[in-house]
Amino acid sequence: DTAVSQTPKYLVTQMGNDKSIKCEQNLGHDTMYWYKQDSKKFLKIMFSYNNKELIINETVPNRFSPKSPDKAHLNLHINSLELGDSAVYFCASSQAGTGTYNEQFFGPGTRLTVL
Amino acid sequence: DQQVKQNSPSLSVQEGRISILNCDYTNSMFDYFLWYKKYPAEGPTFLISISSIKDKNEDGRFTVFLNKSAKHLSLHIVPSQPGDSAVYFCAASSFLGGSEKLVFGKGTKLTVNP
Repeated sequence: DTAVSQTPKYLVTQMGNDKSIKCEQNLGHDTMYWYKQDSKKFLKIMFSYNNKELIINETVPNRFSPKSPDKAHLNLHINSLELGDSAVYFCASSQAGTGTYNEQFFGPGTRLTVL
Repeated sequence: DQQVKQNSPSLSVQEGRISILNCDYTNSMFDYFLWYKKYPAEGPTFLISISSIKDKNEDGRFTVFLNKSAKHLSLHIVPSQPGDSAVYFCAASSFLGGSEKLVFGKGTKLTVNP
């Protein structure tokens, strides 16, 4: 039973295309996240949703739009893909923060290559 | 403006010996500090955390030490095992509206030789 799953695992596409990455968690968590790991291996947060509400929205181009249809899903849609969008994208989930640290569970990642 | 820094990109140790991974941070407002472990082609997995009000947390072979005055933390693995070979990410957490914002270091690749 995969706790946090992402599809697809690999995505190769041309510049200018629009693509989506899907994420689902079966842990009953309230909060979900998207992270980007770039070519320099930095893992940076992009967005977080708590109970379908956008909480964290880092400095990310408007071409990136997260969508949370329900608490178990957080999809990432990317418009007009650029070469610099090539990276590994990780989805994660956790219980809502209550003042103690709540472990974030990560998906296996989606490797996006823009040609 | 790296808030979390891991200055050693790699570390190699012998099986049975101690592995010490280091991390520095710049922001005093972080609530928790964590270590995540990552194998190739997998997502990071949580290893151990420490509250900003503590100076040590131990979990089996893993111990994290926090030195707030130096803004430094370290992860000790004793004894090291070949299965510990992975990339270790240091991260710092701050709470924001029910979410936790994690800021990650660049990672240190640990190789434990049999």
